[in-house]
Parts: sequence; C-alpha cells; structure tokens
Amino acid sequence: AQSVTQLGSHVSVSEGALVLLRCNYSSSVPPYLFWYVQYPNQGLQLLLKYTSAATLVKGINGFEAEFKKSETSFHLTKPSAHMSDAAEYFCAVTINNNDMRFGAGTRLTVKP
Amino acid sequence: NAGVMQNPRHLVRRRGQEARLRCSPMKGHSHVYWYRQLPEEGLKFMVYLQKENIIDESGMPKERFSAEFPKEGPSILRIQQVVRGDSAAYFCASSLGQGSTEQYFGPGTRLTVT
Repeated sequence: AQSVTQLGSHVSVSEGALVLLRCNYSSSVPPYLFWYVQYPNQGLQLLLKYTSAATLVKGINGFEAEFKKSETSFHLTKPSAHMSDAAEYFCAVTINNNDMRFGAGTRLTVKP
Repeated sequence: NAGVMQNPRHLVRRRGQEARLRCSPMKGHSHVYWYRQLPEEGLKFMVYLQKENIIDESGMPKERFSAEFPKEGPSILRIQQVVRGDSAAYFCASSLGQGSTEQYFGPGTRLTVT
C-alpha cells in the first residue's frame, strides 16, 4: 500500500528564511502526491499536487514542490517565509483516489 | 459556489450516546471520503462512498461506526455508543470522481466525548 513519511514533526524558521518541509513516499505504482496546509481549527486546504505532468509543481502562497523519483521524495519549499505561513502541513499520496494516505504532519513555526 | 459543508462543527456527547456527523459535498461532487484526525496526528482514512454505495471502508472500525451517502441529502457518519477514544476531529472530503485526483475538505467536526 502507498504511504508517506514526513521528516520532522516541527520546523522553525525565521521570517524571510527558506522553508523546507520533507516528504518521502512509498508506492508500487506511480503516485499522485499532494501538500495540504491546515490552520488552527480549520480544515485542510490544498497547496499543490503532483499528477505526473511536471516534476516541479507550483502552488499557492509561493510554495512549490519537486517530485524526485530517484529519491522517492516530494519536498515542499518556499524561498522566503512569512508569518502567515505558520500552520500544520501534510503530505499525502494516493494511487487510485479511493483513499488518500497522509503523513503525520509538520508544524511550521515562523519567528519574527 | 459553496465548499464542502460539515455540521455540527463541534459536538459533545457522553459515553454511550450516539454521534451523527453530516457532510454535504461540493456541488456536482458525487464522491465523499471521511477521515479522522486524532490530536497531534495526521488524518487517517476511514471510508469512501459514492451515492448509495460504500466503495472502500477499510479504514472504518469494525464495530459502532457506520457511514452512508443516500441518494438525497448529506453523507452521515454515525458512531454508536461513543467512548472517550472516539474524541477527535472528523473531516469529510469530496471529489468529482471519474479519475479526479483532487479532494476538497470540509472544516471538520470536533467530537468530544465526556
């Protein structure tokens, strides 16, 4: 079955610094990969998704992620962190859209 | 164009009572998914439904939990005889289906069992 692993349950960066949130996947067939953001007491909002069209995917709020098959990774990056980026981020994988498997989440803190 | 609606947003039940969580998918979406999020954890898949059909319930606990998505009306996640361990946030998502890979999430229902 497909799965994702998020490395680092908490990441802290300074405002203006690079954001890097790590996600590695496991799948026996080509996967679809997603990054979602969750603000406190809210549902999940899709940041971006990979569906095999292009390996570098650009999402909302300046985030992007690169699919690297050789490394089975789909890390999320943003060049310059903003205070409003503080939230919980989830990586997810599906192969047939029957069910989506989520990582445990990474809580991003942005320091002024 | 309303998004995925869930109600209630917060639900408090005593042990042994029943909890009913409702989810109205986005307009035009015929596929619904339920997930559970325990404190400090990610989302865990529970069940995938289409109108009047359960497609995949591999993530549902074998007892006390059931889900339906009738021809008319919202999808319902029902938890009978709730226990403290059922306290969690329950999220519903919907999709167009037919090969669509994108799921849209509702704001969740936070269930507290006292």
